[in-house]
This record gives sequence, C-alpha cells and structure tokens, in this order.
Amino acid sequence: GESVGLHLPTLSVQEGDNSIINCAYSNSASDYFIWYKQESGKGPQFIIDIRSNMDKRQGQRVTVLLNKTVKHLSLQIAATQPGDSAVYFCAETPGGFKTIFGAGTRLFVKA
Amino acid sequence: GAVVSQHPSRVICKSGTSVKIECRSLDFQATTMFWYRQFPKQSLMLMATSNEGSKATYEQGVEKDKFLINHASLTLSTLTVTSAHPEDSSFYICSAPKGRGKNTGELFFGEGSRLTVL
Repeated sequence: GESVGLHLPTLSVQEGDNSIINCAYSNSASDYFIWYKQESGKGPQFIIDIRSNMDKRQGQRVTVLLNKTVKHLSLQIAATQPGDSAVYFCAETPGGFKTIFGAGTRLFVKA
Repeated sequence: GAVVSQHPSRVICKSGTSVKIECRSLDFQATTMFWYRQFPKQSLMLMATSNEGSKATYEQGVEKDKFLINHASLTLSTLTVTSAHPEDSSFYICSAPKGRGKNTGELFFGEGSRLTVL
C-alpha cells in the first residue's frame, strides 16, 4: 500500500559529526529509490538515488545503503553542516515514474 | 535553476471558491506530471498522475471531482481545487520526470503552492 505521512521524527547532530537517517519502504516491487531534501516552504530536492541491483552508492558527502531483504534504506551524511538542516525523505518507485514518499526525518544540526 | 515552476506560490481564498494552480516544465516536455499534497510536519502524499492528452489517474481516496487536473500541453498541468474548504488548506507540490538516462525515475519538483482557505 501507499506510505502514509506521519509526524516527522527528528535527528539532532553536532556540526561536523556524521548523520545517519533511516527509512523503511513498503513495496517489494520497487526498483529505484531516491533521497530528497526539503527545506521549509520549498519543494523537495534530489540528493542521491540507488537502483535495486545495488546495495551502496556514494555521492559527495552522502552515501545511500539499500537492504532489500528488510526493505530498508539509509542515508549517511558525512561531516554534517548547518546547511544540511532540513527534512529528508526517502522515496520509492514501484513502477514507471510514480514515486511514493516515506515518512521523512527532520535533521537538526547544532553549531 | 528551476526546471519545474509552480504558480501561485501562495493563495488565500474564501470557502466555496475554486483555486487553480499551474505547474510548468521549463526546458523540457513532460507527458506525465505528478501532484502531491503535504500537510504540516507530514510527508508528501501522491494525489494523482497527470497525463498529457488523457485523463488523470487519481490515487485511492482522492476525489477527482474535487481536484480537477488538466494536462493540456506538454509543458503545463493545472490542478483546480473546486469548492475549497478549510480542510483543503495545504501545500500542493507538482513534479515531473526529466530523464537523464534510460529509466531514470528522478522527479523534479516545483517550489510548491500554499493554499489557505478561510
């Protein structure tokens, strides 16, 4: 079924530390996953993606891990900066371009 | 720069009136666009898939007569909230895929339209 929005959990980290944001997805048929960052009052912005034939993908300061066995995604942000403060959503595509968003996590970075 | 543009960014209307929100792809053609709704401190909920030249596909629980979608051209989709009520107040966000390569599923999102119904 569709992921249903819940009140957002919060992760608070110290500037310079690494952040790990977790997400559970719902559809075993999903073959493409994306992490988005959303700042207040704005639309989501692409961070990094991963296909189901991979279990890890690295970008600049970010890494996504995929565990298909337990339908789990994680986003790791290295050396977290104040500008990383935002809400982070994982998203899955169960077919075509249709994209379903997970619950989201609010990241606070303390200076 | 932005590749998907929404207008208006904010709108306030009286209960019972209708409001139209536009979503444009700026430098590419989009045969498919998606409309999402987001309530405060919640996730994005997919409302419908807008298909150029054909009827929109609505998600379960979304009233098609309430949320009219028209995808009249390859660069424009509109969402009309008909007979709006305070419970329709929300952040509406559109998106379109701009494939960078084969089977790329990444969506580009507009900046959102905040609707407040008094």
